[in-house]
Amino acid sequence: GQSLEQPSEVTAVEGAIVQINCTYQTSGFYGLSWYQQHDGGAPTFLSYNALDGLEETGRFSSFLSRSDSYGYLLLQELQMKDSASYFCAVTPNTGGFKTIFGAGTRLFVKA
Amino acid sequence: NAGVMQNPRHLVRRRGQEARLRCSPMKGHSHVYWYRQLPEEGLKFMVYLQKENIIDESGMPKERFSAEFPKEGPSILRIQQVVRGDSAAYFCASSTAQDAYEQYFGPGTRLTVT
Repeated sequence: GQSLEQPSEVTAVEGAIVQINCTYQTSGFYGLSWYQQHDGGAPTFLSYNALDGLEETGRFSSFLSRSDSYGYLLLQELQMKDSASYFCAVTPNTGGFKTIFGAGTRLFVKA
Repeated sequence: NAGVMQNPRHLVRRRGQEARLRCSPMKGHSHVYWYRQLPEEGLKFMVYLQKENIIDESGMPKERFSAEFPKEGPSILRIQQVVRGDSAAYFCASSTAQDAYEQYFGPGTRLTVT
């Protein structure tokens, strides 16, 4: 089957750095995406890795290692507004066009 | 440049009624996706459409659910004879053909079945 595993919750303090991991079991996919969702809001696109390595976008970075079936989202200089749920997602390249989302990681940023 | 629009934002239906959820993609986007989200859970893919074509409906329940994206007008997700288990947030997303990995989401429709 195809699945993505994320920690359910992470807590960090304002100004710190936090890493949210995503491990996956899928035979092949185009790339790994990350989305942010605040309570009651819509998911918003953060980052995408088509190739192995690190992609940096401001305070957020995302990493992918296909050989390790693993990726992560790195948030630096945490702010209170970063408290939200974060989802990793893949689109398998095994036929079809569905996008599979992880169950999400709730990030709590404390003062 | 308006984003993805969904309406209604909240919908209450009694068991057995029909629910119609509408989605207008972002301008310039030709690909539409529908997802269902239960509280505290991730997004579950339902269907992927292009204009006048259903491309992948592998996530749609076999009965009572249907989707369309006509040549003119919004995409519609239709749920017939709703049951309490259909209560959820339904999100629509859109993308360009080239950037299907970057999906833009609408605000969602919160469906409550009483």
